[in-house]
Formats: sequence, structure tokens, C-alpha cells
Amino acid sequence: AIQLTQSPSSLSASVGDRVTITCRASQGINSALAWYQQKPGKPPQLLIFDASSLESGVPSRFSGSGSGTDFTLTISSLQPEDFATYYCQQFKSYPKTFGQGTRLEIK
Amino acid sequence: EVQLVESGGGLVQPGGSLRLSCATSGFTFRTYDMSWVRQAPGKGLEWVSTSSGSGDNTYYADSVKGRFAISRDISKDTVYLQMNSLRAEDTAVYYCAKRGMIRGLDYYDYWGQGKLVTVSS
Repeated sequence: AIQLTQSPSSLSASVGDRVTITCRASQGINSALAWYQQKPGKPPQLLIFDASSLESGVPSRFSGSGSGTDFTLTISSLQPEDFATYYCQQFKSYPKTFGQGTRLEIK
Repeated sequence: EVQLVESGGGLVQPGGSLRLSCATSGFTFRTYDMSWVRQAPGKGLEWVSTSSGSGDNTYYADSVKGRFAISRDISKDTVYLQMNSLRAEDTAVYYCAKRGMIRGLDYYDYWGQGKLVTVSS
């Protein structure tokens, strides 16, 4: 099974900050990676698919990059509603594993 | 508007069975793969199972293989997760998720609201 390792596991930042979250795959997955945002008590919400494609309706301050084994999710200027937990997920092969999550907290 | 509505969660004893349903609307059900993803209390997301659009191909996490079965009723636009021989470690919120719209790419673009399954005596 392909393992995804996110870093950091948690992060404190302020409104207006630029934030980067990393997801590393245990083997190459081309660009078959998605990023989700999850708030407490809610289902995950798709942000990015195919490593760098922004889902319709998602603010442009979110962006994704990477290919192969190393990927990043960047939030260019944090807004109050962005404080949540973020997950990556690979779609190269079954099982369709998730990263362990990155909790983004207000500093 | 795409909607995914789960039902069937609840409390079950270890060794028992439960069936989750995910009723869908707003898209051509038979065209899209459907999946189940779970989240144990306070933990991260875990992929559980996927059914191809036709239902001919199914996939399972090792942790549930042989105990869980995914199926779909095209006449009702509904996907199911039959869970047998339940264990305490199966306690989680279960989400159904729909594969994304863009052909050739794989991702989950819509999720249900989630149903809590608690396995406890």
C-alpha cells in the first residue's frame, strides 16, 4: 500500500499568513493526488484534484503543486474560515490512502 | 444539485451486523464510482471500499475485507455497505463519496453528511 506522510501534523498561523503543507508519498503516484479541508463535525470538502487543479468554487488563495512523490498545498493568505484540518489522498492505486492530516490552528 | 444522504447507522454489539445506505440524486448514478470512507472518533480519514459505476468491480481495505460488502441498486440510485462481524475498531463516522466529474481523473467531489456507527456491548 502507498503511504502518505503529511507535514507538519499541526500548525499555528495568523490571518494573512502564507501557509504550506507537504504530502510525501512512499512511491511515485504521478499527479494522482487530491487535497481536502475538513471542519469539525462536517464531511471533507474537495479543494484540489490531480495535484494542482482547483475545484470549482474554491477560493484562488488555495493552490496545489507537485508530481511523483512530493506535493504541497499552499494557502496564500489565511482567512478566518481556513482554520481546519487538511488531508491529502492518493488515487494511483488501491487502497486509496489518506495522509494523517494537518491541523491548522489560529496563533 | 448533487446530494448524498446516508442512513442506517447506530449502536451494534461486537460480532453484529449493520447496513448503511447512501441515497443519491442529481447525477447519473450508474456512471460514477461510489466509495465509503470512515473516520474513527478524533482520528483521520480511512478509505474503506469502492464500487465501480456498474457494480462489477469492488475494492476493499484490508481491515474490512471479508467482513464488509459494498453494493449498489441502480433502480434506487443507492449504494450500500453491509457490515458483518463488527468490531470495536469499526466504530467511526462513515461517509459515502462520489467520484469526480472529470473523466480519466480520480477524486471525490461530493460527500454525504456521515453516519455514526458505534460497536459496543
